[in-house]
Parts: sequence; C-alpha cells; structure tokens
Amino acid sequence: QKEVEQNSGPLSVPEGAIASLNCTYSDRVSQSFFWYRQYSGKSPELIMSIYSNGDKEDGRFTAQLNKASQYVSLLIRDSQPSDSATYLCAVTGQAGTALIFGKGTTLSVSS
Amino acid sequence: ETGVTQTPRHLVMGMTNKKSLKCEQHLGHNAMYWYKQSAKKPLELMFVYSLEERVENNSVPSRFSPECPNSSHLFLHLHTLQPEDSALYLCASSQASGGTTRRELFFGEGSRLTVL
Repeated sequence: QKEVEQNSGPLSVPEGAIASLNCTYSDRVSQSFFWYRQYSGKSPELIMSIYSNGDKEDGRFTAQLNKASQYVSLLIRDSQPSDSATYLCAVTGQAGTALIFGKGTTLSVSS
Repeated sequence: ETGVTQTPRHLVMGMTNKKSLKCEQHLGHNAMYWYKQSAKKPLELMFVYSLEERVENNSVPSRFSPECPNSSHLFLHLHTLQPEDSALYLCASSQASGGTTRRELFFGEGSRLTVL
C-alpha cells in the first residue's frame, strides 16, 4: 500500500515567520512530488512541483526533496494570514499511476 | 469558461435516487479523474480516464459509475448510495504523455454530496 504521511497539525506560526511543512512517502520509485493548498470549502490548488533532489524556490515558497530519505518539505517564508489553509502533499510513482495524497497539514498564521 | 468546472456544486439525494455529477475541462488535457474527499481522510482516487479509456478503478463500489464520452467531459453516475458516501467529489484533469509521471492535476471546485 503506497502511503503519503503528513502531520495533520494544526501548525501555528506568527505572521512573518517561516512555516515548515513535512511529508514522507513509502514508494521508493516515486518520481514527481507536489504541494497543493486547499482553503476551507475550496478545491486543492497546485502551488509547487518538484522532480529532482534539492531545493526549488518560487517566491515565498521553497520545496525541498530528498529521495534517499523519501522526504519532501515545503517552506513558506514571511508567512501571511492568507497562507492559512490545509497543505496537501501528493506523490506519483511509476508511469501510469495517478497522484496519491496525504491527509494534509493545517496551517494557521496569526496576525 | 476556463479551467475545470463541476456541476452541481451541491447535491442532496435519498438512498434510492439516481443522479449524476458532471465535469468539463477547458485546458486541452487528455486525462480526467474523480477523487473523493471525506473529513479527516486523504483524497481518495476513484477513477482515471486517459485518452477516454478507463485506466484505473480503485475498488470503487458499483453504485458509482463513471462515463467519459470525450476528453473534455466526465460524468459520475450515482445510484442507491449510502449515507457514508456523503463527501466532496472532486474532478481533476491533467496532460498525460507516454512515459512521463509529471501529472500536475488541476481540480474543479467540487460537488458536495449529501446522502440522506
């Protein structure tokens, strides 16, 4: 059973701080990794994708991937109250398989 | 219209009713998906259609019946559902190319289903 594990939270950070969200996955052949943001009552929205080991930065967001440790993380710098949402980690494996999602981590940014 | 649109956004049905959820994508993608989202559970993949052929069926009960008449439209036909089927049903699309696993999914807003 392929699994994606996330700490459900809630993760609470003050405005302006760095929020760190973590995800581990069980399928060693996983090749593509995604972070989705889901606001309450809304559908998931893709915010980051990463395919190779290392860091990928996009504005205030940085995704980090370590395939040897089967670990992917998302850092949000200068956190804003508008970042308060549930963040879903998603992983795909070999060609032909659809995304497998974690349960999500709820982030709360206080002003 | 742009993106992925789903109708209806909200649906209440009895256990003996028959209803359908509709999804339409305007992104030029060739793969479409149904996911189920229940409280405190991860998104569950239900069905995958790639190039209009069903390529994945994740042990979904037969009371859920998908239909993909073309690469832009996807339906989920519902009949004799149970109260535990109440959930948010999300449609998504992606560009599926041979040999690639870079399946960035784009979701619709979802259909909130309540079974009484």
